[in-house]
Amino acid sequence: SQQGEEDPQALSIQEGENATMNCSYKTSINNLQWYRQNSGRGLVHLILIRSNEREKHSGRLRVTLDTSKKSSSLLITASRAADTASYFCAPDTGRRALTFGSGTRLQVQP
Amino acid sequence: GAGVSQTPSNKVTEKGKYVELRCDPISGHTALYWYRQSLGQGPEFLIYFQGTGAADDSGLPNDRFFAVRPEGSVSTLKIQRTERGDSAVYLCASSSQGGRTDEQFFGPGTRLTVL
Repeated sequence: SQQGEEDPQALSIQEGENATMNCSYKTSINNLQWYRQNSGRGLVHLILIRSNEREKHSGRLRVTLDTSKKSSSLLITASRAADTASYFCAPDTGRRALTFGSGTRLQVQP
Repeated sequence: GAGVSQTPSNKVTEKGKYVELRCDPISGHTALYWYRQSLGQGPEFLIYFQGTGAADDSGLPNDRFFAVRPEGSVSTLKIQRTERGDSAVYLCASSSQGGRTDEQFFGPGTRLTVL
């Protein structure tokens, strides 16, 4: 089944820098969601972008979607140590359940 | 407003034993999901309930795994004859109606270790 593949697998930056994570998927979608996971436990929904949207903002988060390239990116601006987490994309698969890739592990150094 | 809760937070068992993992979804949420996450991987779907019925159980790996949601609220994931490969974090999530754009709210997970 379709799942997003996040890239890079790991990312380490300094506090205050921007972090960019990418997601690629294989088939056409209606929407794509991004989730964050701290400390390997519960996931938290960050943002949903629909196929007719190219860009969406939420606080320090900016998500883009390029349906022609079947890719999405998540940008975190002015990163903080608290942003240290794993980030997952979940492209719509036509099912109710979410399908995740292996995620991007972001480390923000204070 | 309580979020999704899961008990126990940690479970250590021996190979061959039976375990039950419990999930309390957000009150009023009709959709409930179980996922399993191995170290370094993303969560993997197991089963989805809409109300009391399992609407999609295609992710259950084999017949040792079973889940119920008898009153459309609390759910229990049951694993028989546990194997070491069952060791993982089991995550539960709920959403208001189970729509494909609905935000899923995750619990903290149960870390299962099979010795």
